[in-house]
Amino acid sequence: DSGVTQTPKHLITATGQRVTLRCSPRSGDLSVYWYQQSLDQGLQFLIQYYNGEERAKGNILERFSAQQFPDLHSELNLSSLELGDSALYFCASSPPAGVAYEQYFGPGTRLTVT
Amino acid sequence: DQQVKQNSPSLSVQEGRISILNCDYTNSMFDYFLWYKKYPAEGPTFLISISSIKDKNEDGRFTVFLNKSAKHLSLHIVPSQPGDSAVYFCAASGGSYIPTFGRGTSLIVHP
Repeated sequence: DSGVTQTPKHLITATGQRVTLRCSPRSGDLSVYWYQQSLDQGLQFLIQYYNGEERAKGNILERFSAQQFPDLHSELNLSSLELGDSALYFCASSPPAGVAYEQYFGPGTRLTVT
Repeated sequence: DQQVKQNSPSLSVQEGRISILNCDYTNSMFDYFLWYKKYPAEGPTFLISISSIKDKNEDGRFTVFLNKSAKHLSLHIVPSQPGDSAVYFCAASGGSYIPTFGRGTSLIVHP
């Protein structure tokens, strides 16, 4: 158990819909990262938040947005969903100082768009 | 454009033997390399890392080798155990410290 929690574990929805994925980082971690893993793909970095502020952006679509709340949990919002958005979405956190490269991942949310 | 490549999607090894997982990278700005292990229905877990100032890092049965001139790293598992069966991701970081991940290699260790 990494200490990072993600809900829900599974999500099935239709094209055009909007969903929200939730992540709670490890106690004490200020950074939250979101990744997407599509079939046979590596982990694609989407976005990072640090203590409530956006820190870095990766290959995140304009239809996707995220935020980190004062209690440090984060939400990833996916809208106007397309079939190609079906993937595993992972959240990770890292400590505020030290080896930031070493991230701790949650179990993921499997999104299926039908 | 894949900056981190794991060219073998899968690897099958006998229990007790050595497992060698390979990874190539193209970005010369990468200076920190990591291996993550992932079991089904779980998130990746950090396994071992190496800085570009080293060419080898060892942690128990796991050793990572870095060849900077070839832009190549490898993970050696000796001896391999059935519990090592998982997907292994290679990742590399540069100044932004956001790691870039490869697509993973599925290791199966047969009893």
